[in-house]
Amino acid sequence: KNQVEQSPQSLIILEGKNCTLQCNYTVSPFSNLRWYKQDTGRGPVSLTIMTFSENTKSNGRYTATLDADTKQSSLHITASQLSDSASYICVVSFLYNNNDMRFGAGTRLTVKP
Amino acid sequence: DGGITQSPKYLFRKEGQNVTLSCEQNLNHDAMYWYRQDPGQGLRLIYYSQIVNDFQKGDIAEGYSVSREKKESFPLTVTSAQKNPTAFYLCASSLMVTDTQYFGPGTRLTVL
Repeated sequence: KNQVEQSPQSLIILEGKNCTLQCNYTVSPFSNLRWYKQDTGRGPVSLTIMTFSENTKSNGRYTATLDADTKQSSLHITASQLSDSASYICVVSFLYNNNDMRFGAGTRLTVKP
Repeated sequence: DGGITQSPKYLFRKEGQNVTLSCEQNLNHDAMYWYRQDPGQGLRLIYYSQIVNDFQKGDIAEGYSVSREKKESFPLTVTSAQKNPTAFYLCASSLMVTDTQYFGPGTRLTVL
C-alpha cells in the first residue's frame, strides 16, 4: 500500500486561476516532506521542503502547508500560468533514514489559456 | 536539471541484453540515487550511494547493478534478469542524504 496518496490524480484549470493539490501520508516516524514539479519527460525539480515543525513554506507562487497531526500537506498555486502545466509530486522521508523516501504518484496539472 | 546529466535520453534494447545508463554530476555531491518511474506510480528507489565505493540496494534492486568508482559518476546496468525493464529512469544527487535531491533529465528505456 502506497504510504503517500495524492489527489486529485489530474486537474485542469484556466490560466490565472488558483488551485490546491493534496497529499496525505502514513509515513511514520516522519522527517520531512517535499514537493517536486516534474515537466513531461524531464526530471523532477524541488519546490519546497518542510520539516515536521514547519506549517508553511512558500516559493514564489507556490505555497506548501503541512499539518503533521493529521498527516496532510497541500500545495497551493496562485495565479496559474501555462508553464505550471506539469506533474506535482509529494515525497515523504522517514525520520531515521532519509534515504528511505516514499513518493506519491503525482497530480497531473494542466493549465489552459 | 542543474549539473547532473544522463545519457542517452532514449534507449532501445533487445530482450536478453544488458544495458548501462550513464549518470554524471559536477555538483560535488556525495550522495547519488537511481529511481524508476512507471506510469501512474510514484518513483521507486533502485540503488543509492552515499559515498564513493559504497552503494546500497533500494526497494527494487533485483535485476539491476551499479558502481561508484568516482564521485561524479553512478552508472546503472539493467541486466537481462530484470523482468520488466521498460520504464523512465531518473538519476539524482544530493550534497548529503538529508539535503534536497537534484534530478537529471532521465533516460527512457524501451525493451523490444
